[in-house]
Amino acid sequence: DAGVIQSPRHEVTEMGQEVTLRCKPISGHDYLFWYRQTMMRGLELLIYFNNNVPIDDSGMPEDRFSAKMPNASFSTLKIQPSEPRDSAVYFCASSGGQNEQFFGPGTRLTVL
Amino acid sequence: GEDVEQSLFLSVREGDSSVINCTYTDSSSTYLYWYKQEPGAGLQLLTYIFSNMDMKQDQRLTVLLNKKDKHLSLRIADTQTGDSAIYFCAESLYNFNKFYFGSGTKLNVKP
Repeated sequence: DAGVIQSPRHEVTEMGQEVTLRCKPISGHDYLFWYRQTMMRGLELLIYFNNNVPIDDSGMPEDRFSAKMPNASFSTLKIQPSEPRDSAVYFCASSGGQNEQFFGPGTRLTVL
Repeated sequence: GEDVEQSLFLSVREGDSSVINCTYTDSSSTYLYWYKQEPGAGLQLLTYIFSNMDMKQDQRLTVLLNKKDKHLSLRIADTQTGDSAIYFCAESLYNFNKFYFGSGTKLNVKP
């Protein structure tokens, strides 16, 4: 298995633009997580899905952020409009319900 | 909410032992984890311990859990330069799938 796949690996955009981050979980995993990592706040859980259904989105910072999981093999995290304070590394992770979350390599987002 | 705390930095010499510490606040933790993050990469699970255990050893890694003090530690024996990374402590509660991560400890191994 290729592991969790995220794209793009790096994204540079200007303030006000829409940003879409993509994730392909490990096949057969029924949990998917989106995290954000910054120096100031560390690793924050934004939202997680079980069987494509959002279970807990309490970590989503504000309405500018939205996440979808249209099927078991694909999820998106969208920021519209983006702001400089959204600059961070965004990780997707998946789990088969066991005691391990498998992380993707992350997307480094820079909003100018 | 749940609070997991770690010191930010640790520096050791190659060949020495490293001890990374973590404290947590929720006594209903079920599993506690150590993850490793190398530069430019995602987090990788190193080891985990069930909350009814005191110790777990896996090759050069030893995890100690003091449930009374809510203290978790990771000892790396014979630390190598390849061990330089950020180490995250995490806990999960009754819902195994929601993890709470500490801020990470950056381990620097000097040759």
